[in-house]
Amino acid sequence: NAGVTQTPKFRILKIGQSMTLQCTQDMNHNYMYWYRQDPGMGLKLIYYSVGAGITDKGEVPNGYNVSRSTTEDFPLRLELAAPSQTSVYFCASSRDTGAGYTFGSGTRLTVV
Amino acid sequence: DQQVKQNSPSLSVQEGRISILNCDYTNSMFDYFLWYKKYPAEGPTFLISISSIKDKNEDGRFTVFLNKSAKHLSLHIVPSQPGDSAVYFCAATSHSGGSNYKLTFGKGTLLTVNP
Repeated sequence: NAGVTQTPKFRILKIGQSMTLQCTQDMNHNYMYWYRQDPGMGLKLIYYSVGAGITDKGEVPNGYNVSRSTTEDFPLRLELAAPSQTSVYFCASSRDTGAGYTFGSGTRLTVV
Repeated sequence: DQQVKQNSPSLSVQEGRISILNCDYTNSMFDYFLWYKKYPAEGPTFLISISSIKDKNEDGRFTVFLNKSAKHLSLHIVPSQPGDSAVYFCAATSHSGGSNYKLTFGKGTLLTVNP
């Protein structure tokens, strides 16, 4: 059982470039989330989804976009990378309450 | 405005002693609280939780205490082991409004257990 798989693990982007962070879960969870963690800070919710075809903004959505075409996949898109988006990104999924959160191992993104 | 606060960025304890990690919250709608543990280069993993209808929940060496009047919870680890060295995040959610699946996290506390 793979759980939540994130790719890539590391990436360096130049300012203005775009990329997609991939996230896949195999637990048939309805809820999926994208968080970012900046040094010395907690996890901030970027976007979340309550099911295929349904997404909504979290605390810090600016500069990001998401889609949820299937239950399994929840990619996060950065269109015009900025240095402020340098962070570690975590994807997570849950069946319902927070106790069921399963996190991926994270993507460390650096924008230079 | 930070709704979940972990005011101690770090804590160092000796192996075998008790570790106490603290968390305060400001949102009175929060009714379910969780602790997550995170090792370097890994995602957070769920450790223990507590509902607001309880004041204590125990799971092996880990116990969480909730003081609703003070809006304060704490995680006790007894005895502490070197493998417990990690960042611990406090998180909270509310079951009102149908958004109980969204968690609010604190900044985390780095626990170091010295052999």
